Amino acid sequence: EDQVTQSPEALRLQEGESSSLNCSYTVSGLRGLFWYRQDPGKGPEFLFTLYSAGEEKEKERLKATLTKKESFLHITAPKPEDSATYLCAVITNAGKSTFGDGTTLTVKP
Amino acid sequence: DGGITQSPKYLFRKEGQNVTLSCEQNLNHDAMYWYRQDPGQGLRLIYYSQIVNDFQKGDIAEGYSVSREKKESFPLTVTSAQKNPTAFYLCASSIERDSGELFFGEGSRLTVL
Repeated sequence: EDQVTQSPEALRLQEGESSSLNCSYTVSGLRGLFWYRQDPGKGPEFLFTLYSAGEEKEKERLKATLTKKESFLHITAPKPEDSATYLCAVITNAGKSTFGDGTTLTVKP
Repeated sequence: DGGITQSPKYLFRKEGQNVTLSCEQNLNHDAMYWYRQDPGQGLRLIYYSQIVNDFQKGDIAEGYSVSREKKESFPLTVTSAQKNPTAFYLCASSIERDSGELFFGEGSRLTVL
């Protein structure tokens, strides 16, 4: 069974304090891994797609990396507006997608 | 602006009633999806459709029904057979079924009284 596990469940940071969110996965035939940002009461917003180990993507203060077993979302010098729940999802070669439970990030000013 | 529109945003239902959630997209995407999200949990797939007049069950289809009569529209009916319907429902679309990159609506929050 395909599994996606995100850690930690919740993360509190001070503004400017860099950290990383983890997404570990066990799937049969990974086609791609996706990161989304979700604000309270809203739908998720797409951030990144990663397809192969070693690949990296960046957007403003966010950088996503991928290995054969996990992905990291690195947040550099976060700001309060980065506070949100970050969701990781995988899609297999068979076209089946699985979401993790998310990491809720709170950045205090 | 292209996007996905879900309505209503909030809905209250009495036990035993069916309710229909609307989802409309103007992105010209072929694939559309319905997900359910419970507090602190990830998204679980209810139904998806790759093309007009065709749809497939997801992981938690029991107690739900859908239709896809138009490319732009994919309504979800939560029936009285759904034992625990209170949840946040998200509609999404993608260019094609296996593209992986999903565009989501703003969600509909259903509360059963």
